[in-house]
Amino acid sequence: KAGVTQTPRYLIKTRGQQVTLSCSPISGHRSVSWYQQTPGQGLQFLFEYFSETQRNKGNFPGRFSGRQFSNSRSEMNVSTLELGDSALYLCASWAGETQYFGPGTRLLVL
Amino acid sequence: AQSVTQPDIHITVSEGASLELRCNYSYGATPYLFWYVQSPGQGLQLLLKYFSGDTLVQGIKGFEAEFKRSQSSFNLRKPSVHWSDAAEYFCAVGAETSYDKVIFGPGTSLSVIP
Repeated sequence: KAGVTQTPRYLIKTRGQQVTLSCSPISGHRSVSWYQQTPGQGLQFLFEYFSETQRNKGNFPGRFSGRQFSNSRSEMNVSTLELGDSALYLCASWAGETQYFGPGTRLLVL
Repeated sequence: AQSVTQPDIHITVSEGASLELRCNYSYGATPYLFWYVQSPGQGLQLLLKYFSGDTLVQGIKGFEAEFKRSQSSFNLRKPSVHWSDAAEYFCAVGAETSYDKVIFGPGTSLSVIP
């Protein structure tokens, strides 16, 4: 069974641009969650989707948004990028009580 | 407000020695508690979780953790450390009603001496 996949793996953007990251959960998993990891703030929960509905959202500005499609694939979007958005973005999917993480997308904002 | 502290920023142990990583949390209701491990080769991985029931929780890779409500602690233990356990370990607390909206601790970096 394929694991959680994230694309792209690496990304360089400039301030003010927007970016879209993609996450494909393990087949059959309907819950996808997103996290941001930075050296300064550590790991932070962004949002969680289940069956195309956002169930929870972390404490991030409205520039951060996401969605989930009917095949459970999820995208997150960051608009008007700031230097502080440089981070590793992780997604994870749940099946029952087991959680699986993708390798992450490393975003660098210049 | 929820918060998690991991008092030890970095720990070094010898291979074969026992390990205990400390985690203290602050949460007003019944917490969901998690331990994660992150290593360059394996990415982020859920080691174990506590939702309810038995306060001693078994996880993967031979790890266990004990929930002590009176001490607001959820310490991670392993009886014999392997060199491959060198990694960053994160404790996290989530709300009972939504275990995915978690707050992570700052992490403890573990080094293992051969």
